[in-house]
Amino acid sequence: DVKVTQSSRYLVKRTGEKVFLECVQDMDHENMFWYRQDPGLGLRLIYFSYDVKMKEKGDIPEGYSVSREKKERFSLILESASTNQTSMYLCASSGAEETQYFGPGTRLLVL
Amino acid sequence: DAKTTQPTSMDCAEGRAANLPCNHSTISGNEYVYWYRQIHSQGPQYIIHGLKNNETNEMASLIITEDRKSSTLILPHATLRDTAVYYCIVEGSNYKLTFGKGTLLTVNP
Repeated sequence: DVKVTQSSRYLVKRTGEKVFLECVQDMDHENMFWYRQDPGLGLRLIYFSYDVKMKEKGDIPEGYSVSREKKERFSLILESASTNQTSMYLCASSGAEETQYFGPGTRLLVL
Repeated sequence: DAKTTQPTSMDCAEGRAANLPCNHSTISGNEYVYWYRQIHSQGPQYIIHGLKNNETNEMASLIITEDRKSSTLILPHATLRDTAVYYCIVEGSNYKLTFGKGTLLTVNP
């Protein structure tokens, strides 16, 4: 079974803090994704990566950056957290068969 | 622009089959139909996908019409744990899954 894990289920941060969200997958998948999910807006793609050190912007990359130094790990970074980044953050990975598998999500509250 | 249309909500009795419809009249020849579900406060769970043939796995069956303009996800024996929002997604590239509002399926005892 594919396993995608995220470093925290719940996180509370203050405005202006730098926030790191970590995602690890154990299936040697090439592709990894970061989404955020908000009520009424569905899932929106922030960034994705199709290889180590490679990244592509999704639909809403502003205010975020990513890092993929190892194949199994994809990090989402909020350089200076703001209240409008309060959201559920979801990581996913996919391999050659292209089906995306999601982690449990991190619910981030920025005060 | 929404590529798929699903009912907002559906009910199903426990133990009965749940049939969830999805319309995708503008689907292109190289686009797959994916189904995911999301149980409250959890990440989306992959269920099944198909191109033009019917598909079955341990979780569900996917029936795609011959013209590919609609499909039905079938959960053969729904349980209370199948209560979730079910998303039908049409995509040609797996780099970007566009989740709509989905169907809230409530399985009743």
